[in-house]
Amino acid sequence: GAGVSQSPSNKVTEKGKDVELRCDPISGHTALYWYRQSLGQGLEFLIYFQGNSAPDKSGLPSDRFSAERTGGSVSTLTIQRTQQEDSAVYLCASSLGNVKETQYFGPGTRLLVL
Amino acid sequence: ILNVEQSPQSLHVQEGDSTNFTCSFPSSNFYALHWYRWETAKSPEALFVMTLNGDEKKKGRISATLNTKEGYSYLYIKGSQPEDSATYLCALSGSARQLTFGSGTQLTVLP
Repeated sequence: GAGVSQSPSNKVTEKGKDVELRCDPISGHTALYWYRQSLGQGLEFLIYFQGNSAPDKSGLPSDRFSAERTGGSVSTLTIQRTQQEDSAVYLCASSLGNVKETQYFGPGTRLLVL
Repeated sequence: ILNVEQSPQSLHVQEGDSTNFTCSFPSSNFYALHWYRWETAKSPEALFVMTLNGDEKKKGRISATLNTKEGYSYLYIKGSQPEDSATYLCALSGSARQLTFGSGTQLTVLP
């Protein structure tokens, strides 16, 4: 079946511009996660959606970052007024929601802020 | 807060060699330990999820063990092949649901 898809695969933007990253989870998965890996760093958690519950935003690094999940499916991560330190690989994952379930990852969006 | 450490940071082995790496965690206060394999420009691929002390999982030439009492998990690759070259990530899931990742072990298998 179809896995997690993300778009765009690559994005180059200028400092100060806004960007939107999209994630299409596996059909039927109630949980959706965003992570990022900055150069030389490990994967870090950004935000988590579970069904209709309020999202866990505890990993968002600043108020320039926001995310929404429409209709319990597709999610968009928005970064406003991008900075060079936002350059990273942004990964989306989805799962059935149980804490012991496997999270399935998309291929990521490689963001470069010039 | 969950803490995860992986060693070594990188590893070069010859084709046909067997190898192993370590994931260590100071506290067993988590629900599951996950191993992933991540090749450049591809999606991280789930290898194993382990939850109980003494768990052993196997997938082809790759296997993993979990020892929650002493705070480690080992990933073993038997008869390494060039296509095994990737970064191997260990992660913990706890009450907060999201994964806490180690920094990974980058494996290069030389032909």
